[in-house]
Amino acid sequence: NAGVTQTPKFRVLKTGQSMTLLCAQDMNHEYMYWYRQDPGMGLRLIHYSVGEGTTAKGEVPDGYNVSRLKKQNFLLGLESAAPSQTSVYFCASKSSGRVSGGELFFGEGSRLTVL
Amino acid sequence: GQSLEQPSEVTAVEGAIVQINCTYQTSGFYGLSWYQQHDGGAPTFLSYNALDGLEETGRFSSFLSRSDSYGYLLLQELQMKDSASYFCAVIRDDKIIFGKGTRLHILP
Repeated sequence: NAGVTQTPKFRVLKTGQSMTLLCAQDMNHEYMYWYRQDPGMGLRLIHYSVGEGTTAKGEVPDGYNVSRLKKQNFLLGLESAAPSQTSVYFCASKSSGRVSGGELFFGEGSRLTVL
Repeated sequence: GQSLEQPSEVTAVEGAIVQINCTYQTSGFYGLSWYQQHDGGAPTFLSYNALDGLEETGRFSSFLSRSDSYGYLLLQELQMKDSASYFCAVIRDDKIIFGKGTRLHILP
């Protein structure tokens, strides 16, 4: 059982380049989230999705776009990468409903460096 | 708005008990979660409190007081493997917002 899988795990970009991070989950979860983690800043929510075809902004959405064309996949795009987007990116998923609690299942992370 | 406050670092001795506090300011609050993250790893879920009171899971317990907008994570019988960062997170509507984390150092 793979859980949440992120690809790629490492990537180096030059300023201005574009790229897409892929998150795939095999738990049939409705909710999916993208976070970035920087030293001393904790996990900051970039975008999230509550179901196929829906996305919403989180705390730090600027410079990122997302798509949820299939329930199992949540893509995070950087159209024009900037050094400030150097970070570790985590994808997470959970089953639907507030009563299901706060249990997020995380991927292993994707370390992105923008030069 | 929504903000969470937790200490940046806590130090405790192996075998002891440690409490990590979390205060939050948010409207539409549904519950408080705790996560553990070892260096280089992904966060893993520890506990969730939707109602006031104490939830116990083995050596770990979590407490919530909605009236005080306050919760804590209690770790008992500390082991060296508990050295990690611990995050509280609030569930508000469909968002899950994390605190900046508490680094737990354990001394032998």
